Amino acid sequence: QSALTQPASVSGSPGQSITISCSGTSSDVGKYNLVSWYQHHPGKAPKLMIFEVTKRPSGVSNRFSGSKSGNTASLTISGLQAEDEADYYCCSYAPTTTLVFGGGSKVTVL
Amino acid sequence: QVQLQESGPEVVKPSETLSLTCTVSGGSINSYFWSWIRQPPGKGLEWIGYIYSIGRADHNPSLKYNPSLESRVTISIDTAKNQFSLNLSSVTAADTAVYYCARDGSTSLRYYFEYWGQGTLVTVSS
Repeated sequence: QSALTQPASVSGSPGQSITISCSGTSSDVGKYNLVSWYQHHPGKAPKLMIFEVTKRPSGVSNRFSGSKSGNTASLTISGLQAEDEADYYCCSYAPTTTLVFGGGSKVTVL
Repeated sequence: QVQLQESGPEVVKPSETLSLTCTVSGGSINSYFWSWIRQPPGKGLEWIGYIYSIGRADHNPSLKYNPSLESRVTISIDTAKNQFSLNLSSVTAADTAVYYCARDGSTSLRYYFEYWGQGTLVTVSS
């Protein structure tokens, strides 16, 4: 059982915005700004999309943004495109286990 | 550009030890935190552990393991070969997974993975 809770699936039409939530606790997501997000196309290496809650690595589209409120972090994809269809995982620092991932969210572009 | 490549047996027998190596190219293995992460079929990602070395003989590498796997996991590093390795003992079918190696995005450990290997599927089966 994953320590961080994500919706199993999120869908949207091309051009729309979607948000993926990542719920933790006051001991991990809520306490530390050490949440990251990964895009994973099956059979490929996961790709870092967001780190330290809101920071975007160079080369990642500005359509991807991260935020946090309380114990829940979120990844928003704006202007949804077909290429965004993938699995997305959140990850947070957690003192007891060092690092915990969410269970993953499958994004479908309708 | 830093690149990581996992290598090792694709099939391991139950109760035996799973051994994988990650070869790093395009940059030094020194002064970064290197992790192993796995994904069982149809499931999410699980962090296994990390290792950090500055490449000096008088400095022992720093290690941290996932408590759920700590009793069976050993991660080691060979700075001369720019490689680090994973040993997971007493494997069962539950250890069947794609195993990834990855590098932290900062030398000061910021708990995010900037570089990943392609992953290697290891199946535990007799």
